[in-house]
Amino acid sequence: QKEVEQDPGPLSVPEGAIVSLNCTYSNSAFQYFMWYRQYSRKGPELLMYTYSSGNKEDGRFTAQVDKSSKYISLFIRDSQPSDSATYLCAMRRNTGNQFYFGTGTSLTVIP
Amino acid sequence: NAGVTQTPKFQVLKTGQSMTLQCAQDMNHEYMSWYRQDPGMGLRLIHYSVGAGITDQGEVPNGYNVSRSTTEDFPLRLLSAAPSQTSVYFCASSPTGSTGYTFGSGTRLTVV
Repeated sequence: QKEVEQDPGPLSVPEGAIVSLNCTYSNSAFQYFMWYRQYSRKGPELLMYTYSSGNKEDGRFTAQVDKSSKYISLFIRDSQPSDSATYLCAMRRNTGNQFYFGTGTSLTVIP
Repeated sequence: NAGVTQTPKFQVLKTGQSMTLQCAQDMNHEYMSWYRQDPGMGLRLIHYSVGAGITDQGEVPNGYNVSRSTTEDFPLRLLSAAPSQTSVYFCASSPTGSTGYTFGSGTRLTVV
């Protein structure tokens, strides 16, 4: 079983829709949770970072962590064509230096 | 401020050849890592460093070597290239190792 599971999609939504992207994980020791956006043929770009449980909002993006369910989510409000990319979740334990990445969800926002 | 710079962007190697992928960052970050990205596998950690002179293995270290003689540079050496090493390689750096990494633009490597 992989440490981090992420539905690869692809996910296609109309412009202006609310997008929900999710990851599940098996290791209850994970404490640091991140979401990256990766455009085609580019490196991943850090979008959101949260520590432990709770919500974090940044503009149109909201990250949620539910440690009891081992489930994290990224919500994108008022989605734009420029949001079309692959979204990767990543997480890490409190100790150690390794981040575990999901395989990414491909999102297309249709104008 | 260039961030994380990787060279070359593309490379084709023959089986058995060796080469070094270069990575440099100008943000004075202590933590640096090398990942490979393969379809359906996500990003997997090859080697990482928590400071100059300190390196350690990640999830998939076999066939690769690293060194960290300066804070800025973290080269990745392929000792004897194999077709299984065909991948996209990303170098990344972080100030603390827990608040997320800044990634380079990647090196696309094909081993024939």
